[in-house]
Amino acid sequence: EAGVAQSPRYKIIEKRQSVAFWCNPISGHATLYWYQQILGQGPKLLIQFQNNGVVDDSQLPKDRFSAERLKGVDSTLKIQPAKLEDSAVYLCASSLDQGYSYEQYFGPGTRLTVT
Amino acid sequence: AQSVTQLGSHVSVSEGALVLLRCNYSSSVPPYLFWYVQYPNQGLQLLLKYTSAATLVKGINGFEAEFKKSETSFHLTKPSAHMSDAAEYFCAVRPTGGGNKLTFGTGTQLKVEL
Repeated sequence: EAGVAQSPRYKIIEKRQSVAFWCNPISGHATLYWYQQILGQGPKLLIQFQNNGVVDDSQLPKDRFSAERLKGVDSTLKIQPAKLEDSAVYLCASSLDQGYSYEQYFGPGTRLTVT
Repeated sequence: AQSVTQLGSHVSVSEGALVLLRCNYSSSVPPYLFWYVQYPNQGLQLLLKYTSAATLVKGINGFEAEFKKSETSFHLTKPSAHMSDAAEYFCAVRPTGGGNKLTFGTGTQLKVEL
């Protein structure tokens, strides 16, 4: 079974530029998550999708971050404009969420450096 | 709101020694609890989970954790450390009422020395 795919793996941009990250979840997984992991901290949930709909985006800085999940499969996370404090690893995860199968599977992450 | 606290941001053990990584949770009701491991430049991998069944949970790579309600703890242990165990470990909590939102601790970096 293929895992969660993310691209790019690394990205360096200047502040005020825009950037987009892509995630392809495990086939059949209804729920998709984006986490932000700042160096020295645990991952923090930014947004959770179930199929096409947003379940939780309470910690998404909506003035600069946006995310979409078209057709309930792939997802993109965008930052525009980027700030220095956005430097972090952005992790995508997915889960089946049927019965007791709620385990989240994580992708390798995208390391963003904002200079 | 539920949360977890990991005591010790860095733990160092000798190869073959006991590994003990501490996690305490804060919740009005016993939640679901998880331990994840993260190797450099990789995503998180689930080690084990507590979902209100057996209080002693066995996971992959010889790790286990015991849920202790009286101590609000879910410490991770391994009897004998191996060099390959060097990684960062995260404790996470999820409400039992659904939603599947994980709240992570700040992580513990495990170093294994010869």
